[in-house]
Amino acid sequence: DAKTTQPNSMESNEEEPVHLPCNHSTISGTDYIHWYRQLPSQGPEYVIHGLTSNVNNRMASLAIAEDRKSSTLILHRATLRDAAVYYCILRPDNYGQNFVFGPGTRLSVLP
Amino acid sequence: DGGITQSPKYLFRKEGQNVTLSCEQNLNHDAMYWYRQDPGQGLRLIYYSQIVNDFQKGDIAEGYSVSREKKESFPLTVTSAQKNPTAFYLCASSTHNTGELFFGEGSRLTVL
Repeated sequence: DAKTTQPNSMESNEEEPVHLPCNHSTISGTDYIHWYRQLPSQGPEYVIHGLTSNVNNRMASLAIAEDRKSSTLILHRATLRDAAVYYCILRPDNYGQNFVFGPGTRLSVLP
Repeated sequence: DGGITQSPKYLFRKEGQNVTLSCEQNLNHDAMYWYRQDPGQGLRLIYYSQIVNDFQKGDIAEGYSVSREKKESFPLTVTSAQKNPTAFYLCASSTHNTGELFFGEGSRLTVL
């Protein structure tokens, strides 16, 4: 299973943009890049996903490097409710296969 | 509303007892998953199922069993063979088309 590497923790000030990096140097051509976040004692929540092109939705933006070996989740204006653990995972094109979750990045948002 | 329902939310059991965690989804998803999460750690896959009457072991299947008799249901049994069963258990489902995972709220199992 393809693996990802993320910083253990990051800090941001409220209402400032946050860039959460993820390295996935062993990504294959058909792996989708997914991001989820998890609040304490809750199940993870889907944030965004992409394959090759940058993606935007109401929650965040996903910037994917041209060689696809890294990606960045962008929260445009961090709020206190964005404090969570953020997971970057690779989903193989073969549906139903294993999603490998690493320890993720714990984001703290300071008021 | 569509979603995934896990029950019970909290469960206590004595050592040597089997316990079954329920997971039901009404999203019409084919694939379903069980994950285990220990404090401060990421999620580890226990079992997954792509279709009814079929399932595969994940990374940490020892001491666990599952069944997939209906598309909507994917119960997980934690057997007495599981050495350290105290954990937070998460069920998820996904479609084939997008692969986006939908998670339940989790079941916290404590072995006394």
